[in-house]
Amino acid sequence: QVQLVQSGAEVKNPGASVMVSCKASRNTFTGYHIHWVRQAPGQGLEWMGCININNGGTRYAQEFQGRVTVTRDTSITTASMELSGLISDDTALYYCAGEVGVTKNFHLWGQGTLVTVSS
Amino acid sequence: QSALTQPASVSGSPGQSITISCTGSSSDVGAYNYVSWYQLHPGKAPKLMIYDVSNRPSGVSNRFSGFKSANTASLTISGLQPEDEADYYCSSFTSSSTLAYVFGTGTKVTVL
Repeated sequence: QVQLVQSGAEVKNPGASVMVSCKASRNTFTGYHIHWVRQAPGQGLEWMGCININNGGTRYAQEFQGRVTVTRDTSITTASMELSGLISDDTALYYCAGEVGVTKNFHLWGQGTLVTVSS
Repeated sequence: QSALTQPASVSGSPGQSITISCTGSSSDVGAYNYVSWYQLHPGKAPKLMIYDVSNRPSGVSNRFSGFKSANTASLTISGLQPEDEADYYCSSFTSSSTLAYVFGTGTKVTVL
């Protein structure tokens, strides 16, 4: 079964951008949607957006529209999420989550990437 | 779009049953049978426990069950075990124009 392996922790200054990657551990994740979910310290889970790995189609939560970009590479082994204009409230654990086909649930999860925004 | 409403905490003794509620609206929980539940242990990747309201993925104990009535879904853990102590979140697909999925506020389950 495919596992999702995320890139390492990041520390960024306010106003900077951060890119978090999510790699399929075996083969590719063709046929998946890859979602991005974050959890700020002491807060709940928050859906940010997703990408259809097959056709590259994306959808974003309005809260992040204009600041978030989700992409996948042409080999379809890695998906990435870039968040720009970072503020302290963006300090959070960022997860990628895999939806197999169009099943409307998050069957697989990455281990999470801690992004800290601090000057 | 507001988060789905869950109790902040639920506790029970080993062997007991507990139920976590998840209340949404006619745009999410009430509109679709796409309610799922996730277990979060500190330092570990979240785990899908229930999907499509009441289905268990392969490998998830049958002590976990899900149900939905109108705008409220629920997760029941029967025969509570120490390893069930974790945070639990519900999620639903939503017809909202502002986002595709909404999560619950989260429930801390404590095994006494």
